[in-house]
Amino acid sequence: GNSVTQMEGPVTLSEEAFLTINCTYTATGYPSLFWYVQYPGEGLQLLLKATKADDKGSNKGFEATYRKETTSFHLEKGSVQVSDSAVYFCALSDNTNAGKSTFGDGTTLTVKP
Amino acid sequence: ETGVTQTPRHLVMGMTNKKSLKCEQHLGHNAMYWYKQSAKKPLELMFVYSLEERVENNSVPSRFSPECPNSSHLFLHLHTLQPEDSALYLCASSQELAEGFREQFFGPGTRLTVL
Repeated sequence: GNSVTQMEGPVTLSEEAFLTINCTYTATGYPSLFWYVQYPGEGLQLLLKATKADDKGSNKGFEATYRKETTSFHLEKGSVQVSDSAVYFCALSDNTNAGKSTFGDGTTLTVKP
Repeated sequence: ETGVTQTPRHLVMGMTNKKSLKCEQHLGHNAMYWYKQSAKKPLELMFVYSLEERVENNSVPSRFSPECPNSSHLFLHLHTLQPEDSALYLCASSQELAEGFREQFFGPGTRLTVL
């Protein structure tokens, strides 16, 4: 079956530091890959996505590249802000799983001023 | 209203109560989901409805009963819950396509506390 493994947290960084949150996956089909973000007291919202190999998703300064050869989709940001403090979830979906997305366990990021 | 809405946002109930959570999506999607999010645990998929038919039921106890009367509305009926059922319950929707599923859109969640 499908699975997503992401970097364990929590991650604590100073403002303007470089961020990487690792995500690797296993899938039986050809999945689409996603990063979701959950701010305190809210539901998850899509941050970025990539639907095929070598695609790069980007949004709000965050980027992730779909690497089929390493089955990875690492999230990066060059300079984090306090407002980026949230929980980040890596996820995949494909057409072999009755519509179900597979989520990683989430990585909590805290950015200190 | 836009996106996915959930009511109530907060709910406190006793173990013998019966209550319902409501979710409504205004995106024209054809699939809806219930998730449970507990502190320090992974996101748990509970139910999936595609075209108003339940396609996934992840061994959820019978005290949770979903209902999907149409493609825009999803309910979770709660009955004789346990304290360990206290969690954030998230509703989501997505569009099912022949080649797979697009991203999910989540509601803000209902924070449930069972006393």
